[in-house]
Amino acid sequence: EAAVTQSPRNKVAVTGGKVTLSCNQTNNHNNMYWYRQDTGHGLRLIHYSYGAGSTEKGDIPDGYKASRPSQENFSLILELATPSQTSVYFCASGGRDWGIYAEQFFGPGTRLTVL
Amino acid sequence: GDQVEQSPSALSLHEGTGSALRCNFTTTMRAVQWFRKNSRGSLINLFYLASGTKENGRLKSAFDSKERYSTLHIRDAQLEDSGTYFCAAVSGSWQLIFGSGTQLTVMP
Repeated sequence: EAAVTQSPRNKVAVTGGKVTLSCNQTNNHNNMYWYRQDTGHGLRLIHYSYGAGSTEKGDIPDGYKASRPSQENFSLILELATPSQTSVYFCASGGRDWGIYAEQFFGPGTRLTVL
Repeated sequence: GDQVEQSPSALSLHEGTGSALRCNFTTTMRAVQWFRKNSRGSLINLFYLASGTKENGRLKSAFDSKERYSTLHIRDAQLEDSGTYFCAAVSGSWQLIFGSGTQLTVMP
């Protein structure tokens, strides 16, 4: 049974529209992450969270917000979507927690197209 | 900032042969993860290493933090091994820094 799930799997949005990507994990990890992956590049960190109510900026946070309402759920919000945000978005859980590093596990990805 | 240089960017193998992928790090990293992105776009965890080597079936990985590199060896390649392989290093600040990926094509 998949431990990190994402919805939707595919999304087409219009420029200037609001987009919310959702992620759910059943790994009981405190840390969760949002990345984007563009063709020919590795994944880049957008936002992450240490636990419910926490959000932190990653390497490329501009144009994105995040929300962590519970241990299990982490959302990525594009308030005003732009074509440059067309990408594949991955959610992950894991990482360093209580001094121990646990490998990160990834969801299946969301393909977002902004027209 | 910290960087991960992955090579080669693309690799073609015939079934039954093998090769190695490599990631070099610009600074000392704490650990490394290797992933394969399958045909459905999902990232599959292959290895996590904080040191030394690990082997799983036809795959073997090594990580040397002092020499700043990691390798992934594939032997007896099969068609289902095709996909994009990523290494990701755990930085000093405990974040994952990804390489740009290796597109592996296994041919009959």
